[in-house]
Amino acid sequence: AQKVTQAQTEISVVEKEDVTLDCVYETRDTTYYLFWYKQPPSGELVFLIRRNSFDEQNEISGRYSWNFQKSTSSFNFTITASQVVDSAVYFCALSEVSNFGNEKLTFGTGTRLTIIP
Amino acid sequence: NAGVTQTPKFRVLKTGQSMTLLCAQDMNHEYMYWYRQDPGMGLRLIHYSVGEGTTAKGEVPDGYNVSRLKKQNFLLGLESAAPSQTSVYFCATMGGRLNTGELFFGEGSRLTVL
Repeated sequence: AQKVTQAQTEISVVEKEDVTLDCVYETRDTTYYLFWYKQPPSGELVFLIRRNSFDEQNEISGRYSWNFQKSTSSFNFTITASQVVDSAVYFCALSEVSNFGNEKLTFGTGTRLTIIP
Repeated sequence: NAGVTQTPKFRVLKTGQSMTLLCAQDMNHEYMYWYRQDPGMGLRLIHYSVGEGTTAKGEVPDGYNVSRLKKQNFLLGLESAAPSQTSVYFCATMGGRLNTGELFFGEGSRLTVL
């Protein structure tokens, strides 16, 4: 069975500091997808990124970057120069591919990030 | 364009009562999901559907039933509510088999069972 572990329950950093959110996953499949979602205080869930298991290139999008390492089964998320608007709960998720496609996502328990002004 | 709409947004039930949560989407997506979110537990999949007329169990299906009679609607039912079902429920949709894996979520429905 697939599993996603986000060991950091809560993190607080001062604004403008860099912060890394850890995500470790378990799966028996060779083909799978990894995701990050953001849940701001308003409660909605927002898609941030998708990565497939064959693409280990790091991804950068503005202040956000993701480091995917199959050797350690990790998909870590770094926010550079953090801002108060980054305060949210962040979820890492894993999807295995079945006959229907990658239709089921398993979520980690989330990391609550607080940016202190 | 409403996207994914959940009704009701809030509900308080007494133990043993029944209710139905409705999820409606206007994106013509094939896949629909019901998750529950509890403190420290993240999002857990209750049931899902890969198309009209189909449903499947997720990680925590006990105590819930679902129906997908129309492509745009996915109903989650609680036949006899229990305090353990106090939670925030999220409906989500995904485009289909050749999808990006991006889930589109509703705003959530907060259910309290007394």
